[in-house]
Amino acid sequence: GEDVEQSLFLSVREGDSSVINCTYTDSSSTYLYWYKQEPGAGLQLLTYIFSNMDMKQDQRLTVLLNKKDKHLSLRIADTQTGDSAIYFCAENSNYQLIWGAGTKLIIKP
Amino acid sequence: DTGVSQDPRHKITKRGQNVTFRCDPISEHNRLYWYRQTLGQGPEFLTYFQNEAQLEKSRLLSDRFSAERPKGSFSTLEIQRTEQGDSAMYLCASSLERQWGDTEAFFGQGTRLTVV
Repeated sequence: GEDVEQSLFLSVREGDSSVINCTYTDSSSTYLYWYKQEPGAGLQLLTYIFSNMDMKQDQRLTVLLNKKDKHLSLRIADTQTGDSAIYFCAENSNYQLIWGAGTKLIIKP
Repeated sequence: DTGVSQDPRHKITKRGQNVTFRCDPISEHNRLYWYRQTLGQGPEFLTYFQNEAQLEKSRLLSDRFSAERPKGSFSTLEIQRTEQGDSAMYLCASSLERQWGDTEAFFGQGTRLTVV
């Protein structure tokens, strides 16, 4: 079946880079997404990558896609306290998004 | 446009009662989705509409759940005879289907349901 997997927690020091990893299963997914969810807030789209791309950079965010291994990563450069949140990886499968359980990013001072 | 809005933000209800949630999507978006999210999990797909047509329902959506989008704009999700297991965050999202594929889905802030 369809399954998107992520580590549940990642702890980094302020100013370091954070790398959040995700594996997905549907090779026909055309888009892969990273969403951010802060406590008490809705899901905010951070970035997405089209499946025929290997990399996408957007300011402090870099997305890497390895289609062969069905592996997606999100790198956040110069991590700040405001980056504390849960980060969800999602793949589109026909009309719906299939989600990972989310990675909680913890920032240490 | 202020984005996707959901009402109410919070709902506490007694087991066995019926509840109804409303979602107002981004105005030009033709696709509307309902997801459910429980603590520590990613969202789970419930159903989706293309304009006013409900095109798919997850098996998670039991007979007690019904969703409508009567004029292809706002949508309602009703849960009848609520059970404690229905306690969750109910998320609505909308997107615009384009020729080359969907734009990203924009999410509302959700309705948190607590069944006591």
